[in-house]
Amino acid sequence: NAGVTQTPKFRVLKTGQSMTLLCAQDMNHEYMYWYRQDPGMGLRLIHYSVGEGTTAKGEVPDGYNVSRLKKQNFLLGLESAAPSQTSVYFCASSTRPGGANVLTFGAGSRLTVL
Amino acid sequence: QQQVKQSPQSLIVQKGGISIINCAYENTAFDYFPWYQQFPGKGPALLIAIRPDVSEKKEGRFTISFNKSAKQFSLHIMDSQPGDSATYFCAASMGQNIVFGPGTRLSVLP
Repeated sequence: NAGVTQTPKFRVLKTGQSMTLLCAQDMNHEYMYWYRQDPGMGLRLIHYSVGEGTTAKGEVPDGYNVSRLKKQNFLLGLESAAPSQTSVYFCASSTRPGGANVLTFGAGSRLTVL
Repeated sequence: QQQVKQSPQSLIVQKGGISIINCAYENTAFDYFPWYQQFPGKGPALLIAIRPDVSEKKEGRFTISFNKSAKQFSLHIMDSQPGDSATYFCAASMGQNIVFGPGTRLSVLP
């Protein structure tokens, strides 16, 4: 049981380049999330999805786009990377409604923008 | 109203000691309060959680104490071990909305 898989694990970009982070979950979870983690800032929500074909903005959405064309996949895109987007990105998924919202996280993707 | 405050930012405890991390929230609509544990290079993982109708929950050496009237909750780690060294995040959630505290880096010295 793979859980939540993120690719790539590491990436270095130059300012202005674009890239996509892929998150895949095999637990048939409805909800999926993208967070960024920076020192002293905890986990900040970028975008989330409550089901296939839906997306919504989180706390820090600027500079990012997402898509959830398939229930098991949640893509995070950076159209024009900036040094401020250097961070560790975590994808998570959870199942609702009715139960407690327990997040299962991936192992993270470390992005460096030069 | 959506913020979850957490303290201390970092904590150093001797092996066998008690580690205590405190959190506070404002929004009384939150209905689930989990703690996540994160080891270096890994994603956070659920450690223990509590609902607001319970004042305490214990799982092994880990205990959550919940004070609904004060809108505060805390994590106690009894008999702390070096393997407990990690970053701990408290959180509060309602529906699909979950808010994390900034985290506490715990170091347990051997």
